[in-house]
Amino acid sequence: EVQLVESGGGLVKPGGSLRLSCAASGFTFTTYSMNWVRQAPGKGLEWVSSISSSSSYRYYADSVKGRFTISRDNAKNSLYLQMNSLRAEDTAVYYCARGADTAMVPPYFDKWGQGTLVTVSS
Amino acid sequence: QSALTQPPSASGSPGQSVTISCTGTSSDVGGYNYVSWYQQHPGKAPKLMIYEVSKRPSGVPDRFSGSKSGNTASLTVSGLQAEDEADYYCSSYEGSNNLAFGGGTYLTVL
Repeated sequence: EVQLVESGGGLVKPGGSLRLSCAASGFTFTTYSMNWVRQAPGKGLEWVSSISSSSSYRYYADSVKGRFTISRDNAKNSLYLQMNSLRAEDTAVYYCARGADTAMVPPYFDKWGQGTLVTVSS
Repeated sequence: QSALTQPPSASGSPGQSVTISCTGTSSDVGGYNYVSWYQQHPGKAPKLMIYEVSKRPSGVPDRFSGSKSGNTASLTVSGLQAEDEADYYCSSYEGSNNLAFGGGTYLTVL
């Protein structure tokens, strides 16, 4: 069974940093792209970032470019999101999601984790 | 403001059919066959229901179908059941390595 388990969320002050993790199991991690999608409280979904299977390609939404960094450790079946210079508008549940391994942003995500809540507030 | 436009709500009685629209532009929905649909129950993670406009992942009932005409994609749920009540989000590749989502539609089963 495919499992994606996010961790690392919490309360952080504006301007602060946080690192999210996603532990994957139940599938061959090295053959899929991995992605982050967020959802602000009571709002819709927003794609955040994607990374290809070998980390050759990394893509970011304009709203996080220059502040967030996506990475993965294939030996540990893990995905990460380093978030710096956090703003109130980054407050959201962050989902880890699996996608096809392509040279572009995957057009869909077939498995999702349960999410981890990030709250940016003073 | 979402790049793709969905109606905020839709409803139907059990057994009926409901169609949810997702309107974009020629740069996203109209330009690529990369429209997907997700179902999200309150407090739960999204679930992929349709990908590449009309394909169904394994395990998704054939009551769910997708289509596209021009810049508008549609999700049709036939034979409505109580468990279909949820938020539904469309998404589309929009070129330049960006992915857009719609604002979501809450489907109520009356």
